[in-house]
This record gives sequence, C-alpha cells and structure tokens, in this order.
Amino acid sequence: ILNVEQSPQSLHVQEGDSTNFTCSFPSSNFYALHWYRWETAKSPEALFVMTLNGDEKKKGRISATLNTKEGYSYLYIKGSQPEDSATYLCAFNAGNNRKLIWGLGTSLAVNP
Amino acid sequence: DAEITQSPRHKITETGRQVTLACHQTWNHNNMFWYRQDLGHGLRLIHYSYGVQDTNKGEVSDGYSVSRSNTEDLPLTLESAASSQTSVYFCASSRDSGTSEAFFGQGTRLTVV
Repeated sequence: ILNVEQSPQSLHVQEGDSTNFTCSFPSSNFYALHWYRWETAKSPEALFVMTLNGDEKKKGRISATLNTKEGYSYLYIKGSQPEDSATYLCAFNAGNNRKLIWGLGTSLAVNP
Repeated sequence: DAEITQSPRHKITETGRQVTLACHQTWNHNNMFWYRQDLGHGLRLIHYSYGVQDTNKGEVSDGYSVSRSNTEDLPLTLESAASSQTSVYFCASSRDSGTSEAFFGQGTRLTVV
C-alpha cells in the first residue's frame, strides 16, 4: 500500500510569517510529485509538478523542493498573506500509472 | 477556454434511488477520475478511465459505476443510493502522462436522505 503523509495537519500563522510544510512519499518507483492548493468552496488547483531529485520550483512567494531518494518534498510560503489560507495537498505518482495517490493535506490559516 | 464542468452542483436524493452525476471536459484529456471527499479521508478515488471504453475501479468503488463512451464525458452512477454515499464528489481530468497536472471540476455535493 502506497501512503502519502503530510504534516502538520493544520497550521495557523500571522500575516507576514514564512511557513513550510512537508509531504512524505514512498521513495521507490518514484515518477512525479504534485502540489495543489485547495481554497474553501473551490476546487484543487495545481501549483507544481516535480519529477527530478533536487528540483526546486517557484511561483511567486511559494516554492517547493523535492528529495526523491529520501521521499519528501517541502512547500514554502514566504511572507504569508490572508489569501494564502487554503489546504495544500500533495499527490504522488508511481511508475507513470497516471493515478495520483493523495495526502490528506495541510490546512493553512493566515491571520491578518 | 477549455474547462471541466460537473452537474448538478447540489443534489438531495432518497435512499435506494439511482443517481447519475455528470462530468464533461473540453480539454480533450484521455484520463478522467472521480473522487469523493469526506472529512478525515481526503480525496478517495472511486473510478477512473484512461480513454474511451476504458474504466477501472478505484479504492472505494462499491456501489458506483462509470461509463466512457466518448472522450469528453465520464458520468458517475450510484446504483442504489445509500446514506454512506453522502459526500462531495469531484471529477478531474489530465493528459496522458503521470507528470500532467489534474484539472478539477467544481464539485457536486450529494445528500442521501
């Protein structure tokens, strides 16, 4: 059974704080690691798709790193804003079977 | 613009009734997926399809069926609705590769009474 674990489950930060959370996944048969942002009452939207060990991707104040050998990825948010409040999901793809295995997400609340 | 749409957005049905949730995408994606989202469980895969006439069971497929007669549509049918199937249902599509991001519909909130 392939499991994807995310931590922490939830996080409350003040506006302007930088924060990060973790996605752990099986290190064997790795193909891709996805990060999605899911705002309340909306649908998940892709942030990054990462495939290479050591890869780092950035979109505005949000960035992600990937370590496929040890099976983890970090998502960083620099200078959190209230509009960053959302659940951040990661999903693992093994062996290009096109299905994604999802973590339960990290719920981020940014207080103004 | 290409999109993926679900209908209805909200539905209340009675136990034992057959219900079909529609999913239509104009991305021309081969891969389509149905998930349910419940508190404490995250996104759980119900059924998925990699192309026309292809359907596969996911981890929580009991009581559900899908058909794929064309590229654009993957309707989800609850054969005999049960209260345990009260949930929010999301449809998603993606291109062929596992590196392709998934695009989600807006979700359907189904209540079985």
